[in-house]
Amino acid sequence: AQKITQTQPGMFVQEKEAVTLDCTYDTSDPSYGLFWYKQPSSGEMIFLIYQGSYDQQNATEGRYSLNFQKARKSANLVISASQLGDSAMYFCAMREAGNTPLVFGKGTRLSVIA
Amino acid sequence: DGGITQSPKYLFRKEGQNVTLSCEQNLNHDAMYWYRQDPGQGLRLIYYSQIVNDFQKGDIAEGYSVSREKKESFPLTVTSAQKNPTAFYLCASSIGQGLGNTGELFFGEGSRLTVL
Repeated sequence: AQKITQTQPGMFVQEKEAVTLDCTYDTSDPSYGLFWYKQPSSGEMIFLIYQGSYDQQNATEGRYSLNFQKARKSANLVISASQLGDSAMYFCAMREAGNTPLVFGKGTRLSVIA
Repeated sequence: DGGITQSPKYLFRKEGQNVTLSCEQNLNHDAMYWYRQDPGQGLRLIYYSQIVNDFQKGDIAEGYSVSREKKESFPLTVTSAQKNPTAFYLCASSIGQGLGNTGELFFGEGSRLTVL
């Protein structure tokens, strides 16, 4: 079974609008971390935001916020005020306890339209 | 500047040849990882190492080999046994989870391997 599911292969958003990228995860471990990465066409992976399973508040980093709904096992990324430079692949990932490697979803390709 | 360096960026190989991808980091990270990326597949773990002279297989280790003789280096060899080696390969490192650390991965710029 997939541990990370990203159901949106592609998304379009108008410049300056907000967009939500979906991510659901599957784990029985009470301690885990959730990550979002951005991959521009150049191929590099850029870390965006992190949410720990015990964190009480949703993580925020500038225009990025993570809508963490623990009971639903979802960790959606919200990008506010989209910019043309936000066009990229976005990957959700999870690390379970014990310093295990990150497991990635298949990604969502976001296209920002002027 | 601290970071992860992968080389070469582009590599072409004939069928039946082994090829080694280099990954070097100067971040003083204990853990290093190799992921493979295919279109529509996301990133899949090939091998990882949490300490020098030790490494573990990931989900798709068949046809690959690694070594970890130095903390800074984690080369990946794509052998002729790998049936479909054409892909984008990403190396990463992490400091590991701990007080104040999320355990996030720091990535190199990737190596694109094409088998002719």
